[in-house]
Order: sequence, then structure tokens, then C-alpha cells
Amino acid sequence: QKEVEQNSGPLSVPEGAIASLNCTYSDRGSQSFFWYRQYSGKSPELIMSIYSNGDKEDGRFTAQLNKASQYVSLLIRDSQPSDSATYLCAVPPFGQNFVFGPGTRLSVLP
Amino acid sequence: DAGVTQSPTHLIKTRGQHVTLRCSPISGHKSVSWYQQVLGQGPQFIFQYYEKEERGRGNFPDRFSARQFPNYSSELNVNALLLGDSALYLCASSLGGGGNSPLHFGNGTRLTVT
Repeated sequence: QKEVEQNSGPLSVPEGAIASLNCTYSDRGSQSFFWYRQYSGKSPELIMSIYSNGDKEDGRFTAQLNKASQYVSLLIRDSQPSDSATYLCAVPPFGQNFVFGPGTRLSVLP
Repeated sequence: DAGVTQSPTHLIKTRGQHVTLRCSPISGHKSVSWYQQVLGQGPQFIFQYYEKEERGRGNFPDRFSARQFPNYSSELNVNALLLGDSALYLCASSLGGGGNSPLHFGNGTRLTVT
């Protein structure tokens, strides 16, 4: 059983702070990694993808991947109340379908 | 360009009934996947279709079935509904059938079984 694990939270950070979201996965063969944001009552929205070790930055978002440790993280700089949502980590085992973690609920306090 | 479209948005059914959910992928996307999401959990994989062929099936009973049409749209059918089938059903499309292509989700169908 391929697994993706995340802390369910809630993770609370003050406005303007850095939010750090973490995800671990079980399949060493996984080659692509995705972060989705899901607002309450809405569907998941893709915010980041990362395929190789290291950091990938997109605006206020940075994804970090460490395949040796089977760990992927998402940093949100200058957090805004509008970033309050559930963040889902998705890791497809090699050649297979997406496996989603349970999500981490982020609350950015004004 | 239009995103993934799903219909209906909401649905209320009683136990034992049958339901059909529909999905149209993003233009040019040949893969459609179906996920079930219950409150407080991540989406759980049900089916994937690529080029009209089933590419994968999750751990769901045979009451769940799906198909993909020549225009790449898809239907998810659920027979003999149970209370536990109440969930948000998500359709996602992607360019390819493997795991490297990101999934793009529709707005979902909220199914309530009473």
C-alpha cells in the first residue's frame, strides 16, 4: 500500500510569517510530486509540481524535495489570510495513479 | 479555455438508487480520473481512463463503474447506493496517463445519500 502522510493540523501562523507544510511518502520509485490547495467546499487546485531534488520557487511558494529522505515540503512566504486552506500533497507511485495525503489545514491569522 | 466540467453540482439520492455523474475534460486532455473525497480526508482514487481504456481502479466495490467516450468525456456510475457513498466526487483530467502529468480537477459533484 503506497502511502502519503501529512500532519493534519491545523497549522496556525500569523499574517506575514512563513508557513511550512510537510509531506512524506513511502514509494521510493516516485518521480513526480504535487501540491494542491483546497478551499473549504471547493475542489483541489494545483499550485506546485516538482520533479527533481532541491528547491523550486513560484512567487511566494517554494517546494522542496529530498528523494533520499522521501520528503517533500511547501513553504509559503509572507502568508496571507487568503492562504487559509487545506494543502494536499500528491505523490504518484511510478507509472501509477495519484495518491493523496490527508491534507494539512492552514490558518493564517490577521 | 474551459476547465474540467462536472455535472450535476449537487445530487440527493436515497439508499439503493443508482447515480450517474458526468465529466468533460480540458480540451486536449486524454486522461480522466475519478476520486471520492469524504470530509476531512484526501481524495481517494476510484478509476482512471486513458484513450478510452481503463488504466487503473482503486479499492472500491463493483457497484462503482465508469467509462470514457470517444470525445474523452466520462461517466461514473454507482449502483445500490449506500449512506457511506455520500461524498464529494471529483473528476480530474490530465494530458498523459502516467503520473508525471498534473491532475486538473473539476468543481466536483456533491452526492448525498439519505
